[in-house]
Amino acid sequence: NAGVTQTPKFRILKIGQSMTLQCTQDMNHNYMYWYRQDPGMGLKLIYYSVGAGITDKGEVPNGYNVSRSTTEDFPLRLELAAPSQTSVYFCASTPPGQGLRNTIYFGEGSWLTVV
Amino acid sequence: GESVGLHLPTLSVQEGDNSIINCAYSNSASDYFIWYKQESGKGPQFIIDIRSNMDKRQGQRVTVLLNKTVKHLSLQIAATQPGDSAVYFCAEKRDNYGQNFVFGPGTRLSVLP
Repeated sequence: NAGVTQTPKFRILKIGQSMTLQCTQDMNHNYMYWYRQDPGMGLKLIYYSVGAGITDKGEVPNGYNVSRSTTEDFPLRLELAAPSQTSVYFCASTPPGQGLRNTIYFGEGSWLTVV
Repeated sequence: GESVGLHLPTLSVQEGDNSIINCAYSNSASDYFIWYKQESGKGPQFIIDIRSNMDKRQGQRVTVLLNKTVKHLSLQIAATQPGDSAVYFCAEKRDNYGQNFVFGPGTRLSVLP
């Protein structure tokens, strides 16, 4: 059971380039999330998904896109990378059917630098 | 605006002492809270949680206290060890975000030998 797996671990992008951060979970979780974490700051929600085929914006969605074609995968797309998108990105998921006590499981993070 | 925040951005404690990390929240409708530990270069890891109908919950060496009157959450770590050095986040769950959580900025705990 690998949990939440995200790739790549590190990436340097040039301004204007595009890339996709991959995220997959093998726990059959219905909710998945993408957060970004800037230095000295808390996690900010970019996008989330309540299940395959359904995605919604979080607090800071501008400059990003997501898709959820399967339960397992939730890729995050940066179309035109900007220096403001330099951050650490965390994918996460929560299991179904636990009511209020839905603990979030996080991936190890992806360090992205835009230069 | 509504937010979750921490009183102390950094905390240094002697090994063996108890640590207390504080968190303030402003949304009285939040019904579930979690403390996370984040070690350098890793993702946040669940430590302990508490529902809004509780005042206290204990785990192994950790205790979470919830004071709904002043909207305050604290994490107590007993007999702090070097392995406890990390950044600690509190998170609140708000119903209007569905299953989504709002995280505080974090407190860095440094354990001194």
